[in-house]
Amino acid sequence: QVQLVQSGVEVKKPGASVKVSCKTSGYTFVNYGVSWVRQAPGQGLEWMGWIRPSNGHANYRYKFEDRLTITVDTSTRTVYMELRSLRSDDTAVYYCARDLGLVSTVTLDSWGQGTLVTVSS
Amino acid sequence: DIQMTQSPSSLAASVGDRVTITCRAGLSIGSHLNWYQQKPGRAPQLLIYDASTLQSGVPSRFSGSGSGTDFTLTITSLQPEDFATYYCQQSHVTPPLTFGQGTRLEIK
Repeated sequence: QVQLVQSGVEVKKPGASVKVSCKTSGYTFVNYGVSWVRQAPGQGLEWMGWIRPSNGHANYRYKFEDRLTITVDTSTRTVYMELRSLRSDDTAVYYCARDLGLVSTVTLDSWGQGTLVTVSS
Repeated sequence: DIQMTQSPSSLAASVGDRVTITCRAGLSIGSHLNWYQQKPGRAPQLLIYDASTLQSGVPSRFSGSGSGTDFTLTITSLQPEDFATYYCQQSHVTPPLTFGQGTRLEIK
């Protein structure tokens, strides 16, 4: 079955970076995109960015463009999300999700379990 | 970015009730509308895609309708496991993918 397994809880100081991994299994990796979505405490869902694993092409939400990088390692079927210059309002649960879109983000049909990132001095 | 607005923001209902949640897009999005269910402490799950197609494994008491700017998610005969937060999401113009603010369905 399709599985996306994310790395564990992170606690960071303001100004630091965090890199969250998302290891996939159970499907043909290069036939789907992967998106990242975050959810601040008690808040709704915010799409951050997407990557096409076949060639590493990514696109990002405008507000994150200068501090977000999504990368892929096809040999391990793992997608990474790195967010830099962390602020307290980056405290959130970060989700990866399999994306049916191969040209751009479309529909998220399987999700990782989420990774809590806390930014605090 | 296409703005998505859900109503109501919260809703109280009883087991066995029929409920409807509405989602309005800021401009016409055809049928490019998905619905997700999220339970506390869990990741969202895809319920319905392309406005009205049930995702595999989702019970038939869930249904979606609409096109253009106005969409509805209907749950007939609410079950205890249906109490959750529901989000709509447009895929007509991306990036970015945009979600509604969510509708919290609570037990009356």
